Amino acid sequence: DVKVTQSSRYLVKRTGEKVFLECVQDMDHENMFWYRQDPGLGLRLIYFSYDVKMKEKGDIPEGYSVSREKKERFSLILESASTNQTSMYLCASSLFTEQFFGPGTRLTVL
Amino acid sequence: QQQVKQSPQSLIVQKGGISIINCAYENTAFDYFPWYQQFPGKGPALLIAIRPDVSEKKEGRFTISFNKSAKQFSLHIMDSQPGDSATYFCAARLGNNNDMRFGAGTRLTVKP
Repeated sequence: DVKVTQSSRYLVKRTGEKVFLECVQDMDHENMFWYRQDPGLGLRLIYFSYDVKMKEKGDIPEGYSVSREKKERFSLILESASTNQTSMYLCASSLFTEQFFGPGTRLTVL
Repeated sequence: QQQVKQSPQSLIVQKGGISIINCAYENTAFDYFPWYQQFPGKGPALLIAIRPDVSEKKEGRFTISFNKSAKQFSLHIMDSQPGDSATYFCAARLGNNNDMRFGAGTRLTVKP
């Protein structure tokens, strides 16, 4: 079974802090994705990566950056966290069409 | 701006009834249309998917109907069960890198 793990289930940070969200997949998938999930807005794509060191902006990249140094790991970085970045963050990976999601990280920025 | 519009936001159905969730899109470059199911505390998981050259796909109690000319597709859940209570997302894929755009989600509650 494909497993996508995220470093934390819950995270509380203060405004202005630098935040790292880590995602690891164990199935050698080429593609990895970061979404944020907000009520009434569904899943919105922040960034995705189709290869090591490659990244593409999604619909809402502002305030975020990503890093993919190894194939299995995709990190989301909030350079200076703000309260409007309080959300559920979901990581996913895929080889072909199906995306496999991690359990999510609920981030609260105070 | 949502590239895939999903309705309704929430749906309550009696056990044994039919649940219907609708989605619409504008971008004709979308080439793959999955539905994902999400239970509380879990990430979404693929439920069923269709390509635009097919008008209907059925897997057990779940059916996707696809209308290419209207740019609409829908999920039908027959004989809905309390265990189907979850949030459902439609999605559409853009491009070969699996760049997926999701709808806003529908929270389905099936009452026993």
